[in-house]
Amino acid sequence: NAGVTQTPKFQVLKTGQSMTLQCAQDMNHEYMSWYRQDPGMGLRLIHYSVGAGITDQGEVPNGYNVSRSTTEDFPLRLLSAAPSQTSVYFCASSYSRGTGYTFGSGTRLTVV
Amino acid sequence: AQTVTQSQPEMSVQEAETVTLSCTYDTSESDYYLFWYKQPPSRQMILVIRQEAYKQQNATENRFSVNFQKAAKSFSLKISDSQLGDAAMYFCAYRSAGGGTSYGKLTFGQGTILTVHP
Repeated sequence: NAGVTQTPKFQVLKTGQSMTLQCAQDMNHEYMSWYRQDPGMGLRLIHYSVGAGITDQGEVPNGYNVSRSTTEDFPLRLLSAAPSQTSVYFCASSYSRGTGYTFGSGTRLTVV
Repeated sequence: AQTVTQSQPEMSVQEAETVTLSCTYDTSESDYYLFWYKQPPSRQMILVIRQEAYKQQNATENRFSVNFQKAAKSFSLKISDSQLGDAAMYFCAYRSAGGGTSYGKLTFGQGTILTVHP
């Protein structure tokens, strides 16, 4: 198993550009999430999904869109990048309610 | 909404000694799960230990153990026989077992940086 795969690992965007961060898992996990990590603020939940076709907003959803058309994939779309979205982004997946999440290796995004 | 608080931004310990990292949480739910994650400089998030709220027995994983006090809403991590490889950022996290879609959410504390001195 490859686990949770995030691409790209690094990205530089100009303000106003759009892009999609890719996340795929091969463990047949129902639950998937996107987090952003900023210094001194821990990991904050952006969006999450409890199954294909079901998504919900987390703590900091503004400026981001998600969809979950398959169990394996959970892409995160930045609609119009802003410098405030400079961060490290983590995708994670989980098998059941009681298990912890398995994390991808992260994407470092810089918006200039 | 649930909140998780780690009041120790930084902690340090001598190699082979024991250190305890603190975590408190706020919830009105009775059924939930608690986790400790480790994030070394590589940035990878690694699950260290898991506790089920309905189990009174404290979880243990080798040198890592927790002190779960449900009434006090406290969930501390004890690392015994500390090793240089334990140096990392440690995060406490909460996951609901409840209804709706809330059980999909994992809520993190701000993290504690642990330094291990040789």
